[in-house]
Amino acid sequence: GAVVSQHPSRVICKSGTSVKIECRSLDFQATTMFWYRQFPKQSLMLMATSNEGSKATYEQGVEKDKFLINHASLTLSTLTVTSAHPEDSSFYICSARDFVRGYEQFFGPGTRLTVL
Amino acid sequence: AQTVTQSQPEMSVQEAETVTLSCTYDTSENNYYLFWYKQPPSRQMILVIRQEAYKQQNATENRFSVNFQKAAKSFSLKISDSQLGDTAMYFCAFMKIKGGGADGLTFGKGTHLIIQP
Repeated sequence: GAVVSQHPSRVICKSGTSVKIECRSLDFQATTMFWYRQFPKQSLMLMATSNEGSKATYEQGVEKDKFLINHASLTLSTLTVTSAHPEDSSFYICSARDFVRGYEQFFGPGTRLTVL
Repeated sequence: AQTVTQSQPEMSVQEAETVTLSCTYDTSENNYYLFWYKQPPSRQMILVIRQEAYKQQNATENRFSVNFQKAAKSFSLKISDSQLGDTAMYFCAFMKIKGGGADGLTFGKGTHLIIQP
């Protein structure tokens, strides 16, 4: 149990376009989902926290207008990178938490975004 | 805000040896969890072990154990009888507990552990 999927696993887009990444909890209801960003050979940095039905809370320095997060249901959160530029190229990882299961976060497999 | 420091960018040991990865953290919080995650080349984050700050007993999961020193804000991971499959990046992470919920994770920079045959 506690499986989280992400789609797509990798995406290449042109500069100026928008890209949507989906994060789904497959066998549990995710009351909270988190989005992280990981640059090559670096650690994970928390970008934002989203609770189902509420606006996402962004970490300091993360542009909320560039990284749109929607958590419309208890099993789906989306991250949309708007007007993507090469510096947005990174590995994006989501995690999900179900308060019934406690505080553990279950991670998705990640999405590699390359902006040309 | 809290910080997590892993001072060993890379470590290499022989198979079957015991290795200890260090982690220190800084926080003014009293209610929190600490984690060690493993990230193999597939980049899937895998939970290795978890420690609740209010528990004095060190957590253990098979070959993996921690040395949690709350006063010193230290949280090291010991891997016994290391195996080739343990080769991966290891991240120490901190999570603040608040009310009925929890914040996201704050990660250290990671330690690249290489198990040599």
